[in-house]
Amino acid sequence: QVQLQESGPGLVKPSETLSLTCSVSGGSIDTNYWSWIRQPPGKGLEWIGYIYNSGNTYYSPSLKSRVTLSIDTSKNQFSLRLSSVTTADTAVYFCARGVGFGQIDNWGQGTLVTVSS
Amino acid sequence: DIQMTQSPSSLSASVGDRVTITCRASHDISNYVAWYQQEPGKAPKLLIYAASTLQSGVPSRFSGSGSGTEFTLTISSLQPEDIATYYCQKYNGAPFTFGPGTRVD
Repeated sequence: QVQLQESGPGLVKPSETLSLTCSVSGGSIDTNYWSWIRQPPGKGLEWIGYIYNSGNTYYSPSLKSRVTLSIDTSKNQFSLRLSSVTTADTAVYFCARGVGFGQIDNWGQGTLVTVSS
Repeated sequence: DIQMTQSPSSLSASVGDRVTITCRASHDISNYVAWYQQEPGKAPKLLIYAASTLQSGVPSRFSGSGSGTEFTLTISSLQPEDIATYYCQKYNGAPFTFGPGTRVD
């Protein structure tokens, strides 16, 4: 059974860059889509983007200018960088696996990132 | 970009009730819709994909239907463990937008 685990700082200062890594165990990162989704406290899910094992990426238009996804197949990890953060970026960040045409069948537990000085 | 809406935004139901949630897309997305269940404090769980295909391990009281721009998730007989928020998501092409959610309590 594939498992995903997010890691990274839980507190980021405004204007700085948020960086998270997702470690994948129990399966290879060489196939499927690898996604990031976030959820502000008390709100709905927001799709951030995904990356293929090839390195091809697709981003949410609203975040595209600030987001970079990367993948390290040797470590079975993929990463999120979100630059110039504001308090509006405070959220639980989930990493996830997409299969088939894109449905997400496996999620990490999520990690809360708070943007505050 | 294609927008996703859901109705109702919340509903109250009793154990044993039939519950139906509707998801609408602003443009035709064929059957590229998934439904997720999220319990408080937990990650979402895939229930349905391709509009009507039940994910392995999901109880058969959950079903999905629709194509084009209108989709429904039905719980045939609500159980206490079904209290959660339900989201639809389109995935016919990026961005893979989620609906705003429907809270069932």
